[in-house]
Amino acid sequence: QSALTQPASVSGSPGQSITISCTGTSSDVGGYNYVSWYQQHPGKAPKLMIYEVSNRPSGVPDRFSGSKSGNTASLTISGLQAEDEADYYCSSYTSSSSHVVFGGGTKLTVL
Amino acid sequence: QVQLVESGGGVVQPGRSLRLSCAASGFTFSSYGMHWVRQAPGKGLEWVAVIWYDGSNKYYADSVKGRFTISRDNSKNTLYLQMNSLRAEDTAVYYCARDQEVLSPVYAFDIWGQGTMVTVSS
Repeated sequence: QSALTQPASVSGSPGQSITISCTGTSSDVGGYNYVSWYQQHPGKAPKLMIYEVSNRPSGVPDRFSGSKSGNTASLTISGLQAEDEADYYCSSYTSSSSHVVFGGGTKLTVL
Repeated sequence: QVQLVESGGGVVQPGRSLRLSCAASGFTFSSYGMHWVRQAPGKGLEWVAVIWYDGSNKYYADSVKGRFTISRDNSKNTLYLQMNSLRAEDTAVYYCARDQEVLSPVYAFDIWGQGTMVTVSS
């Protein structure tokens, strides 16, 4: 069982918006702004999409945005495109001995 | 270009050891914290270890503490993961990843290698 809780799957049609949640505790998501989101296509290495809750690395489209409220972080993808279909993982720094925790991943299907 | 290339994976028996390497290029390796992250077949991501830019601090996931050792050689632009007392549950693709921030880690991984597969089986 992963330390951060994500929905197993979400889906949306091209052009629509979707939001993926990532729920933790006050020891991780709620206590620090070190929340990141990664996109992973099958057989590929993960790609950083959002860091420190809401910052986008250069080259990541502004269709991707991040936010946090309490112990839950969220990734929103607007204007869904076919190439957005992938697995998405959240991660957070944690004050526990584990240091970094990931969510179990969410499979995004673009219908 | 900025690149990380892992090597050293393979098939190993339970209880044996293996050392992974990660060669960095295209950036000032000695300025960044570095991580190992693994992914078991068909499973999610699991953080394994971090080492500070100068090697002064090292931290491990509870699942590998006491068995794995992370290290780096800044003169060779190379990161290492020494894995001892391997178990079947250590079977995974192992990725090295650069921390997004220079000097002090912010635990965001902005550059990843292609991964190297480690299979622990008798």
